[in-house]
Amino acid sequence: AQKVTQAQTEISVVEKEDVTLDCVYETRDTTYYLFWYKQPPSGELVFLIRRNSFDEQNEISGRYSWNFQKSTSSFNFTITASQVVDSAVYFCALSEANQAGTALIFGKGTTLSVSS
Amino acid sequence: NAGVTQTPKFRVLKTGQSMTLLCAQDMNHEYMYWYRQDPGMGLRLIHYSVGEGTTAKGEVPDGYNVSRLKKQNFLLGLESAAPSQTSVYFCASRNGGSVYEQYFGPGTRLTVT
Repeated sequence: AQKVTQAQTEISVVEKEDVTLDCVYETRDTTYYLFWYKQPPSGELVFLIRRNSFDEQNEISGRYSWNFQKSTSSFNFTITASQVVDSAVYFCALSEANQAGTALIFGKGTTLSVSS
Repeated sequence: NAGVTQTPKFRVLKTGQSMTLLCAQDMNHEYMYWYRQDPGMGLRLIHYSVGEGTTAKGEVPDGYNVSRLKKQNFLLGLESAAPSQTSVYFCASRNGGSVYEQYFGPGTRLTVT
């Protein structure tokens, strides 16, 4: 069965610290997609990244980077030099290509608090 | 483009009342979804639609019904609201074909007393 685990419920850091949010997934499908979404205090869901199962290249976008490792079924998200505006709930999600509707299966989220 | 919009933004219902949440998208997306978000639970799929006139059950469909009479609209109905349905409801849509990201609406905060 498919599942996404975000073991860190809450993380608190001080501005400029680096922080890594962990995501571990389970799937039997060979073709799947992994996502990260950000939910700031205002409540909307903001798409950050999509990665398919055949592309294990790490990705960097500004202060954000993602590390995808199929061997450990992990898709971790690192924020470098965190800022107060990074404070939000972050969700990792999985979508399987062969699943009807290909809906997103979400982890329970990690609440990141960045203090100044 | 407005993207994905949801109506209403907030609602308070009494147990047993009914209501319909409206989701509209102007991106010509084939797929539409309804999720609910509860504290500590992430988002869970209620129902989804892969095209106009089609609907299917998700992970937590009990107590809800949906309709997709027009491609751009996806309605979520609560026939007899219960306190357990107090939640934030998100609608999302995406293109068909490859699994692209879903675009989410701003959410509807529903309280059932």
